[in-house]
Amino acid sequence: EVQLLESGGGLVQAGGSLRLSCAASRFTFGNYAMGWVRQAPGKGLEWVSSISGDGDDTYYGESVKGRFTTSRDNFKNTLFLQLNSLRAEDTAVYYCAKGDGYKFVEWFDPWGQGTLVTVSS
Amino acid sequence: SYDLTQPPSVSVSPGQTARITCSGDALSKQFGHWYQQKPGQAPVLVIYKDSERPSGIPERFSGSSSGTTVTLTISGAQAEDEADYYCQSLDNSGTYLFGTGTRVTVL
Repeated sequence: EVQLLESGGGLVQAGGSLRLSCAASRFTFGNYAMGWVRQAPGKGLEWVSSISGDGDDTYYGESVKGRFTTSRDNFKNTLFLQLNSLRAEDTAVYYCAKGDGYKFVEWFDPWGQGTLVTVSS
Repeated sequence: SYDLTQPPSVSVSPGQTARITCSGDALSKQFGHWYQQKPGQAPVLVIYKDSERPSGIPERFSGSSSGTTVTLTISGAQAEDEADYYCQSLDNSGTYLFGTGTRVTVL
């Protein structure tokens, strides 16, 4: 069974930075695109970013473009999300999720358990 | 703002059928996918490509599509199906869209 385990969340001041990690196991990590989706407290799901299996192609939602960077290490089976210039509205649980294909994600399955990022203003 | 619209809530009696709609222009060109999220848990894919069911998802979950609307149907709803449900698709610029979410109550 695929496993995804996020880490790196925590409390940070507005304007600060964090780096989230997602450790993947039990599948051939480099063969799949991956994504990040967040959920603010009591709110719905919002796509943040996606990355192709080889890491060459990255995509970002408008609200994080220019501030967040997604990357991956296929030797260590780990996905990363670098969060810079954080704002209060970035407070959310951040989920990593496995895509269905190599170059592009169409749907997300499965998802990790999430890591909470809290930005204080 | 959201480009996929869902009803905020749906109520269903145990054993009856619940239908959740998701509407948006993107759905006329792209597939719709559905996720179930129970309180405090990560979302779980229940339907992909409008009507395909992942392995391990009960047969009572089904999906359909017509025009700019996709529908998730829970036939013979059970108490364990109480959850939030989200649709998801892509717009023509490659941006991922999630629906507004629907709270399903089984009572």
